[in-house]
Formats: sequence, structure tokens, C-alpha cells
Amino acid sequence: EAQVTQNPRYLITVTGKKLTVTCSQNMNHEYMSWYRQDPGLGLRQIYYSMNVEVTDKGDVPEGYKVSRKEKRNFPLILESPSPNQTSLYFCASSLDLAGELFFGEGSRLTVL
Amino acid sequence: TQLLEQSPQFLSIQEGENLTVYCNSSSVFSSLQWYRQEPGEGPVLLVTVVTGGEVKKLKRLTFQFGDARKDSSLHITAAQPGDTGLYLCAGAEAGGTSYGKLTFGQGTILTVHP
Repeated sequence: EAQVTQNPRYLITVTGKKLTVTCSQNMNHEYMSWYRQDPGLGLRQIYYSMNVEVTDKGDVPEGYKVSRKEKRNFPLILESPSPNQTSLYFCASSLDLAGELFFGEGSRLTVL
Repeated sequence: TQLLEQSPQFLSIQEGENLTVYCNSSSVFSSLQWYRQEPGEGPVLLVTVVTGGEVKKLKRLTFQFGDARKDSSLHITAAQPGDTGLYLCAGAEAGGTSYGKLTFGQGTILTVHP
């Protein structure tokens, strides 16, 4: 089954404690992206990757890092989480930049 | 980044009513996508419109892309409780260094009461 898998689905952490949200897709998609979703703000892009070893900032990259060492994986790293990073995070992949996005089920992160 | 204004933000209607959701921008898009998201899940693509003036139908849902490719609408006829969800539009930038980049609207939360 074609899918994008994120882990963890839910996480409560404390300020400053590094965390990683993993994302994996099995569709051989070139393009992967991370979004955060906050009430009234829609989906805002954090980082995206056009291919292996190619990553670029989205609209709200501050406080986040990503890597794309393999085509299927695109982890999101919060080196020192802060409460304003409490949000619902989605990983997505597509064949190309403007193609249909396939989303994971989301990771709800709370930073205390 | 181009801005997409989506309206209304909230819509609460009775089963059987019709509704329209709007997605507007001052910028031109090469294409526009509509997604639907249910609680606890990620958005799922409903349709992509590419040509100015294009109209696509998906059962009771009608999608239209503006002639100038700056706006789009989603019309639902005879809404049903199963239509309840968050509807998101996303435009692909038409030029410049961000060509193809998707920008999402704020979303419309639709609730259809039985």
C-alpha cells in the first residue's frame, strides 16, 4: 500500500530536549516536504527536498533541521524545542514539486 | 511566497443545503489543488485544476479555476454529513524562483448537520 509514515504520532516533551520526527515514503517520490498546521493558519511549509542530499527552506524554517540521506526518508529535527513549536506536523511526498501531495497521518507535538 | 485567501473560514449548514468555498489571490497560479482533511488524518487530494476557466466535477462537488488563474471555487450541492471536514486549497506558483511551489490557503472547516 502506497503510504507516508510518520513517527511518533503524539509526543509531549519539554523545552530544550532534542527530538526527531521520522518520515518515510514507499512510493519512490523525488519530492518530500514538512508542514506545520496551526488553527487559522492552514499548512505552512517548514522545509522541502527535491531529491537526495537536496534540501531547502520553506516559509517557517526557524528552529528546525532536516536531512535527506536516502530517497525514502526525510526526518524533521528539533534541536532545542520551544513552546511555540507546539503544533501538528505533516510530512508529505509527491512525484514532483507541483504534483499531488501524499500526506502522512500527522504528528501532534506538545512542548512544555 | 504568494498568498491564498480562503473563505469562509467556518461553515455550518444543514444537510441538503448548497455551499461554496472560495480561494482568492492577487497572483497567478500554474495550477490549483483542493484537498479534504478529516480529523486525525492528513489531507487527501480531491482535484487539480490547471487551465483558466476549467470546471471539474466530482459527484456533488464542482471545482472551478478562474479565467485568470488567480482564484478558484468549490461548490457542494446537497451537502451531506459525510462532507464534514477541513477543505484546503493550494496554488502552485506560476513563475520566478519558486515556480511550482505550493502555497496553502487557511482552510474552511465545514460542518454538515443531519
